[in-house]
Amino acid sequence: SYELTQPPSVSVSPGQTAIITCSGGKLGNKYVGWYQQKPGQSPVLLIYQDTKRPSGIPERFSGSNSGNIASLTITGTQVLDEADYYCQAWDSVTVVFGGGTKLTVL
Amino acid sequence: ELQLVESGGGLVQPGRSLRLSCAASGFTFDDFAIHWVRQGPGKGLEWVSGISWNSGHVGFADSVKGRFTISRDTAKNSVYLQMNSLRPEDTALYYCAKDMSNEGTGDFDYWGRGTLVTVSS
Repeated sequence: SYELTQPPSVSVSPGQTAIITCSGGKLGNKYVGWYQQKPGQSPVLLIYQDTKRPSGIPERFSGSNSGNIASLTITGTQVLDEADYYCQAWDSVTVVFGGGTKLTVL
Repeated sequence: ELQLVESGGGLVQPGRSLRLSCAASGFTFDDFAIHWVRQGPGKGLEWVSGISWNSGHVGFADSVKGRFTISRDTAKNSVYLQMNSLRPEDTALYYCAKDMSNEGTGDFDYWGRGTLVTVSS
């Protein structure tokens, strides 16, 4: 079955750029989505179809996908961005999530 | 306001069954695929199952295939997850999520708050 791999944790200082990666075989041939989840809350869709932002999602969140790696970039990271982030891809008739990355802003 | 409200969770013994419900409102239910995603205690997200707008396409994770079924009722704007032969590893918070497309491509733009399923003797 298809697998997506994310780093368990990423740290960034406030105001800096955070990059969270997601790797999978020929991932660039699939559409990737990204979700943010804060403790005790339901996930929120940040990015879909590699680069698109739903309405209401700040412009500091952006996505890219090429080759075997997709990335979520947070520009000008804020303390409130501290959360778990999950990538997701559609494989045949199933949906796959990455294992999640805990973003620490300090 | 768009809402997804899950219900039906609870404590159940291994090997028993449970049916979860997801009641949708605030959007044209018939136009979108709906999915179930679960999250075990302290763990990540795991897609469980999805159903297309007209029930023509359904999918299941390998971990639940053969044990879970999914269905939808247009008259009640609801999606159901029938879970049979439950195992301790099925213990999780089960979320209902709306897909952005009718066939289901895995972009979940709205999520419910979840219903907790605990499988234990």
